Amino acid sequence: DTEVTQTPKHLVMGMTNKKSLKCEQHMGHRAMYWYKQKAKKPPELMFVYSYEKLSINESVPSRFSPECPNSSLLNLHLHALQPEDSALYLCASSPRDGYSYEQYFGPGTRLTVT
Amino acid sequence: QKEVEQNSGPLSVPEGAIASLNCTYSDRGSQSFFWYRQYSGKSPELIMFIYSNGDKEDGRFTAQLNKASQYVSLLIRDSQPSDSATYLCAVKPNQAGTALIFGKGTTLSVSS
Repeated sequence: DTEVTQTPKHLVMGMTNKKSLKCEQHMGHRAMYWYKQKAKKPPELMFVYSYEKLSINESVPSRFSPECPNSSLLNLHLHALQPEDSALYLCASSPRDGYSYEQYFGPGTRLTVT
Repeated sequence: QKEVEQNSGPLSVPEGAIASLNCTYSDRGSQSFFWYRQYSGKSPELIMFIYSNGDKEDGRFTAQLNKASQYVSLLIRDSQPSDSATYLCAVKPNQAGTALIFGKGTTLSVSS
C-alpha cells in the first residue's frame, strides 16, 4: 500500500484567515515533503522533513509554516496568504531521504485564497 | 543550475501505437530517475523508476536510461486513451540534502 492522505481536499480562505493542511502516511516512510503546484507547471518543492526534522526549506515565505508532529503526520499552517498562493498543495513521502528513493504523492489540497 | 528538460508536447499518438517520451538532465552524477503520470486536476502518480543503465519493463511501460548521454525515456506500448495525461520526469541529483528536480512535463494525447 502506497497511500498518502491529505485533508481537506478543497479549502477557500480569506487573506486574514489561519488554516492548516494535514497529511498522513502509514507506510513507515521517514521523509515527508510539501510541494506547491500551479496549473500546467511541475510541482515546486517547499519543505522536506527527514526523520521528523526539517532538512530543506526552499526559501518559502513565513506565512507558510510546516510542522511534523510525528513520523506519520505532516502539517502546513497557513496565515495571511495572498491570492497568488492559490494552488494545489501536495504532500509526498518516501522510504528515506537519500540518493535513491521513490516518492509518493497524496491527492492534494486545492487552495483558493480570496 | 541542475536542470531536467522535457519536450512539452503535446505528443499525439493513435490508440495502439507506441508513445515515446524523452528527458535529458544536466547533473552527470545523478543516480535516480522517476516517471510520474499526472491527470488534469489530480496529483502525480509514480509509474516507473530506474537506477541502472539499460531498460526496465513494467507491463506496457518501459523506462530506458543512458547515463553516458544523460538521457532517460519512457515508452508506452499499446497506448490507450486512458494514457492521455502529462508525464513528469524527475531526477535525484547525486548530492546530499537535495531533492527531486522535475521537468516541466510532456502532455500525451492518445486518440481512439
